Amino acid sequence: AQTVTQSQPEMSVQEAETVTLSCTYDTSENNYYLFWYKQPPSRQMILVIRQEAYKQQNATENRFSVNFQKAAKSFSLKISDSQLGDTAMYFCAFRGGGADGLTFGKGTHLIIQP
Amino acid sequence: DAGVIQSPRHEVTEMGQEVTLRCKPISGHDYLFWYRQTMMRGLELLIYFNNNVPIDDSGMPEDRFSAKMPNASFSTLKIQPSEPRDSAVYFCASRDSTGGGYEQYFGPGTRLTVT
Repeated sequence: AQTVTQSQPEMSVQEAETVTLSCTYDTSENNYYLFWYKQPPSRQMILVIRQEAYKQQNATENRFSVNFQKAAKSFSLKISDSQLGDTAMYFCAFRGGGADGLTFGKGTHLIIQP
Repeated sequence: DAGVIQSPRHEVTEMGQEVTLRCKPISGHDYLFWYRQTMMRGLELLIYFNNNVPIDDSGMPEDRFSAKMPNASFSTLKIQPSEPRDSAVYFCASRDSTGGGYEQYFGPGTRLTVT
């Protein structure tokens, strides 16, 4: 079974700073997908970014980018120019090639201070 | 386009009562997932459907839980009888298999409190 580990329960940075959230996973598969979801206080789960394991290029979506290290099984999320609205729980998720459900990490609570 | 719709948003019930949670997936999506979120266990997959057919229900905690998808636009998750330990946020999510990206889109969740 796959596992996803987020080692930072909580992080706090100042507005406009850059912050990196870490995620590691364990799998024996070669083809899989990784995601970052944001859950603000409204509790809505919002897709932030996705990465296909077969792609070497790191995914980028505006201020959000990932550092995907396949050999190390690491998938970190970088948020540039952080904004107050980025305050939320962030979940790393794994989707293996043989299963359709997502396996989630425990989440990182990110607080952006004004 | 409307996203995934869940009802009710909040449900408070007494132990032993039957609870029914409802979900309408995004139109055209052929996969539907039910997840449960608790502080202790985080987000867990309960069951998912493909083209209205249950594919994997190994995450359903026990026989008190059941899920159905009578058509492509509606699914229910039922708990009977409910217990205090069932208190959680229940999410429904859907996916379009033709997209290729495997991303799932979540509804707003139903916060269930069993007293």
